[in-house]
Amino acid sequence: AQSVTQLGSHVSVSEGALVLLRCNYSSSVPPYLFWYVQYPNQGLQLLLKYTSAATLVKGINGFEAEFKKSETSFHLTKPSAHMSDAAEYFCAVTTVGYSSASKIIFGSGTRLSIRP
Amino acid sequence: EAQVTQNPRYLITVTGKKLTVTCSQNMNHEYMSWYRQDPGLGLRQIYYSMNVEVTDKGDVPEGYKVSRKEKRNFPLILESPSPNQTSLYFCASSLSSRYNEQFFGPGTRLTVL
Repeated sequence: AQSVTQLGSHVSVSEGALVLLRCNYSSSVPPYLFWYVQYPNQGLQLLLKYTSAATLVKGINGFEAEFKKSETSFHLTKPSAHMSDAAEYFCAVTTVGYSSASKIIFGSGTRLSIRP
Repeated sequence: EAQVTQNPRYLITVTGKKLTVTCSQNMNHEYMSWYRQDPGLGLRQIYYSMNVEVTDKGDVPEGYKVSRKEKRNFPLILESPSPNQTSLYFCASSLSSRYNEQFFGPGTRLTVL
C-alpha cells in the first residue's frame, strides 16, 4: 500500500530564506509524486509532479523538488521565500501500473508562514 | 474558462436530511474524484470515477454515494448525513487518469448539526 508522510505541520521562514518542505512516501511500485499548493479559501493547484523522467523537477513560482529513491523522499524547495508563498502545501502519491485501485493519497499538509 | 464548479459552496444541515453536492467540469476530463479535507488529516479520497458509469471507492467512502451518468458531472450524495461528515469537500478532475494534474473546484464547506 502507498502512503505519504509530510514532516512538520507548520514551517516558518523569513522572507528571502530557503524553503524546505519534507515529503516521504511509501510505495511498493514506482510512484508518481505531486506537490500541490492551497491558498486560503481556495482549492488546490499543482506546483509540480514527478513521473519517472528527470529526478529534479521544476515547478511554478520558483519551486522545485528532487526525487530520491534511496531515501523515498520528494522534498520541495525554493531558494528564496516570498511573502506570497504563504499557503498550505500538500504532497501526494499514486502508483504506476495496471491496478484497478486508482487511488491518490495525500499527505496531511504543511502550512508555510513567511516572516517579514 | 476551464474550470470545476461545485454547488453549494456553503451548506448547514441537520442530521439525517439527505443532500447532494454537485460537481461539474467543462474540460472533457475522464477522471473525477471527491475529497474531504479535515485539519491535520490532509485530503482523503472519498470516491473516484475513471469514466462514465465507472466509479470506485477511495479511502473513506462510508456514508457517501456518487454517480457518473454524464462525463461532465459527478455529484456527491449524503443519504443520511451525520455530524462526523462536517468537513470541507473538494471535487477534482483530470484528463485521463490519476497520473495527470488534477484540477480542483473551490470547495464546499458542509456543517451537519
